[in-house]
Amino acid sequence: DAKTTQPTSMDCAEGRAANLPCNHSTISGNEYVYWYRQIHSQGPQYIIHGLKNNETNEMASLIITEDRKSSTLILPHATLRDTAVYYCIVRVASGGSYIPTFGRGTSLIVHP
Amino acid sequence: DADVTQTPRNRITKTGKRIMLECSQTKGHDRMYWYRQDPGLGLRLIYYSFDVKDINKGEISDGYSVSRQAQAKFSLSLESAIPNQTALYFCATSDPTGTNYGYTFGSGTRLTVV
Repeated sequence: DAKTTQPTSMDCAEGRAANLPCNHSTISGNEYVYWYRQIHSQGPQYIIHGLKNNETNEMASLIITEDRKSSTLILPHATLRDTAVYYCIVRVASGGSYIPTFGRGTSLIVHP
Repeated sequence: DADVTQTPRNRITKTGKRIMLECSQTKGHDRMYWYRQDPGLGLRLIYYSFDVKDINKGEISDGYSVSRQAQAKFSLSLESAIPNQTALYFCATSDPTGTNYGYTFGSGTRLTVV
């Protein structure tokens, strides 16, 4: 099962782009990259996921390198409400019994 | 109403007491999970269930038990609570055949054992 490595913490100025990196060098061909965030002590919230191509939704963009060994979550215009812990997870898209692991994630602080 | 509802939201109990945390979901998902989160740490899996007749231990199942009463309900019990079980507990669901949106989490139950 592929594991992920993320920086422990990052900070970003409000209004600027926040770029959160994740390494997943052992990812296999059928594993997707998922991103979640946890605001304060709420339940983690799904943000975005991808396999090979870059993805964008109303919350964020996901850039996956061509070799798929790393990815970056981009919050294009960070706000104070984006202060949260961000988890990068690798898992098989469907079926199987793989249970993803939520590590410590990256604590993002957005400051005024 | 929330897709995944946990009750109670907060609970203080005494050492040695039996306590049950409940989780219900309206997403129609077969898979349900219980996680525990301690301050500054990630989520650790306690138990998971892939359908009503399936129960599996996670990485930290000692001291806990679960019951999958129906597709929509998955309860976590602490048979004899101890202080180091003080933590934030999350229930989650997932649908392996769905749109790959991963997990849906409840709002959590904050449990304090004194």
